[in-house]
This record gives sequence, structure tokens and C-alpha cells, in this order.
Amino acid sequence: KNQVEQSPQSLIILEGKNCTLQCNYTVSPFSNLRWYKQDTGRGPVSLTIMTFSENTKSNGRYTATLDADTKQSSLHITASQLSDSASYICVVSYKAAGNKLTFGGGTRVLVKP
Amino acid sequence: DTAVSQTPKYLVTQMGNDKSIKCEQNLGHDTMYWYKQDSKKFLKIMFSYNNKELIINETVPNRFSPKSPDKAHLNLHINSLELGDSAVYFCASSLLGNEQFFGPGTRLTVL
Repeated sequence: KNQVEQSPQSLIILEGKNCTLQCNYTVSPFSNLRWYKQDTGRGPVSLTIMTFSENTKSNGRYTATLDADTKQSSLHITASQLSDSASYICVVSYKAAGNKLTFGGGTRVLVKP
Repeated sequence: DTAVSQTPKYLVTQMGNDKSIKCEQNLGHDTMYWYKQDSKKFLKIMFSYNNKELIINETVPNRFSPKSPDKAHLNLHINSLELGDSAVYFCASSLLGNEQFFGPGTRLTVL
């Protein structure tokens, strides 16, 4: 069964600190892996997208890594800001059936001043 | 503004009623999707249309019927609403296989 699991489920960090979110997946065949940010009451917004051959991708203070051999990805947030408080969702694209996306349950990040 | 828009944003209704949610995108995309986000925050694909043709149809009760009048619109009609249908429904669009852009969501509450 194609699955995407994220850890931790939730995280509280102080403003200015760094944090790392984890994603493990079993989706196969794999097309690409995406990280989305979902603010409360809004739709997800794409942060990064990585194909099989890429092992790191940055978007400002967000850096995603991918190890396709171990089927793991991480999202690192540097120098967190209050506006980083959101859910971060790992999404893996299944290379069939119209590149269907399989979503993880997300990690809720709360940045405190 | 270029975006994916959904109406209504909130929908509260009684069990047994029939309701529709509308979605429009002006991004020039050829593929549109409906997702359901449950209370545990998992997003699950329900349907996908490419150029008005149904390409993904997950195991969804046949009370749910999508309709795509053109490439820019994908509406979701739900018959005989049940308590378990309460969720946030997201519309998204993309060029096939590429990044998906999500709408703001419709929070459906069935009483």
C-alpha cells in the first residue's frame, strides 16, 4: 500500500530557532516528492518539489532533502518566524494513474515568540 | 487575480439534503481535482478531470458526482448528505503531472 508518514505530528519551537521535519514513504513507482505549507483555514501551497534525481532543494529559509534509496525526505526550517506556524505536508507523486498524489498527515508547527 | 476559487467557503446543511460546491480556475490549467480533508487532516483525492475527461475516480460513494462543464470549472454535487461527509473539500488545478494549485477550501458541516 502506498503510504506517506510524517513525524513529528506536532512541534513547538521558539522564534529564531531551526527545526527539521521528517517524511518516510513507501510509494512506488515514485515520480516526485513535494512539501506543502498549509496555513489554518487555507489550501496547501507548494514549497518545494524534487524528482528522483534531486537530493536537495531550497526555497528561502526552507530546505528539503530527499534520499530515494531509503525513501526518506526532510524539511528544514531555518531561523523560524511566527509566520512559519502552519501544517507542513509531505506529498509523494505516484508514477501512474495520472500522477496521483499521496499525502502525509502533516506536521503542525507552532512558532512562539 | 489568477487563482483557484471555490464557493461557498462555508456550507452548513441538514442530513439528507443535496448540495453543490463550485470551483473555477483561471490559470489556464488542463487538469482539475477534488480532495477531501478529514478531521485528521489527511488530504485524499476524490476525482480528477483532464480536459473535461474523468481520469481519477477514487472509491467515493456515488452520492458524489463531479461535473466539468469546461476546462476552467469543476463542480461537486453531493446527494443525500450524511454526517460523515462533514469535512473540508479542496479543489486544485494543474497542468497534467505538474504542480497543483489549491483553492481556499469549502468547510462542509452536516447536522
